[in-house]
Amino acid sequence: AQTVTQSQPEMSVQEAETVTLSCTYDTSESDYYLFWYKQPPSRQMILVIRQEAYKQQNATENRFSVNFQKAAKSFSLKISDSQLGDAAMYFCAYRSALVKAAGNKLTFGGGTRVLVKP
Amino acid sequence: EAQVTQNPRYLITVTGKKLTVTCSQNMNHEYMSWYRQDPGLGLRQIYYSMNVEVTDKGDVPEGYKVSRKEKRNFPLILESPSPNQTSLYFCASSPLGIPREQYFGPGTRLTVT
Repeated sequence: AQTVTQSQPEMSVQEAETVTLSCTYDTSESDYYLFWYKQPPSRQMILVIRQEAYKQQNATENRFSVNFQKAAKSFSLKISDSQLGDAAMYFCAYRSALVKAAGNKLTFGGGTRVLVKP
Repeated sequence: EAQVTQNPRYLITVTGKKLTVTCSQNMNHEYMSWYRQDPGLGLRQIYYSMNVEVTDKGDVPEGYKVSRKEKRNFPLILESPSPNQTSLYFCASSPLGIPREQYFGPGTRLTVT
């Protein structure tokens, strides 16, 4: 079974600065997808960024970028030019590329709370 | 507007009193799933369904039931709730097999006393 670990329960960043959230995962599969979700105080789950394991290029979405190290099974998220609206819980998630018995199941890490100081 | 809806959003109940949390999606998705979120544990899958009348257990199915009689609806049933089922619950849907995002409902905060 796959596992996802986020080792930082909480991170603090000054507004306009950069913060990096770590995520490691364990899998025996070679083809999969990795995601970062944001959960603001409203509790809504918002997709931030997605990475396909077969792509070597790191995904970017505006101020959000990832460092995907497949051999190390590491998938960190960098938030640049942090804004007050970035304050939220962030979850790393794994999904197998195989549509087998578990279908589209997402396996989540425990989450990292990001605090943004003005 | 494409969305997943859940009801109720908040629920406080007592041990043993049967309850149902409804979930509905308007995107004609085959795949629907229930997760529970607990501090430090992230979201964990309870049950999932890959089509009408096709359901299966996720990682934490004990104490829960589901049904999928219509493609758009996937209710979560707690026949005899216990305090350890106090949690935040999310319903999600997506097209089966396509690596796009899953669409999450707004969440249901359940407290069992």
